[in-house]
Amino acid sequence: DIQMTQSPSTLSASVGDRVTITCRASQSISTWLAWYQQKPGKAPKILIYKASILESGVPSRFSGSGSGTEFTLTISSLQPDDFATYSCQQYEAYPWTFGPGTKVEIK
Amino acid sequence: QVQLVQSGAEVKKPGASVKVSCKVSGYSRSEVYMHWVRQAPGKGLEWMGGFDPEDAETIYAQKFRGRVTMTEDPSTDTAYMELSALRSQDTAVYYCAMAPDFTFDYWGQGTVVTVSS
Repeated sequence: DIQMTQSPSTLSASVGDRVTITCRASQSISTWLAWYQQKPGKAPKILIYKASILESGVPSRFSGSGSGTEFTLTISSLQPDDFATYSCQQYEAYPWTFGPGTKVEIK
Repeated sequence: QVQLVQSGAEVKKPGASVKVSCKVSGYSRSEVYMHWVRQAPGKGLEWMGGFDPEDAETIYAQKFRGRVTMTEDPSTDTAYMELSALRSQDTAVYYCAMAPDFTFDYWGQGTVVTVSS
């Protein structure tokens, strides 16, 4: 199975900050990576697919990059609605696997 | 718009089975490419299985093989996930999620399954 790791596990930031989350795969997954945002008690919401393509309706302050085994999710200017948990997911091979999540909390 | 509505919370005893339903509405394509993902309390997301359009069959994660069955009823646009031989570690929120392009584009609201004696 392809293992996904994320860093940091928790991130404290202020509104307006630039935030970067890293996701690493245990083997190359090309660009078959998605990012999801999840708020407490809610289902995840897809933000980015194929490592860097923004899902329709997602604000442009979100961006993704990377290929192979290392990927990043960047929020260019953190907004109050962005405090949530972010998870990466690979879909290069079954079983599809998720990272453990990065919680972005208010500083 | 696309909506996935899941059945309500369940409390089960160890060794029992649970069947969660997920009704789809507002989706125009014939295939829904349904998957199931669970999340234990305070933990990350875990893919359980789903429909693989390339092989036209349902793929199950090794961890659940033999205990899980995922089905669909096209006549009612409803998908089902049945998990048997429940243990306390199966306590989680279970989500249905559609993956028409290999990513989870649409999600149900989640069904809490509690396994307790």
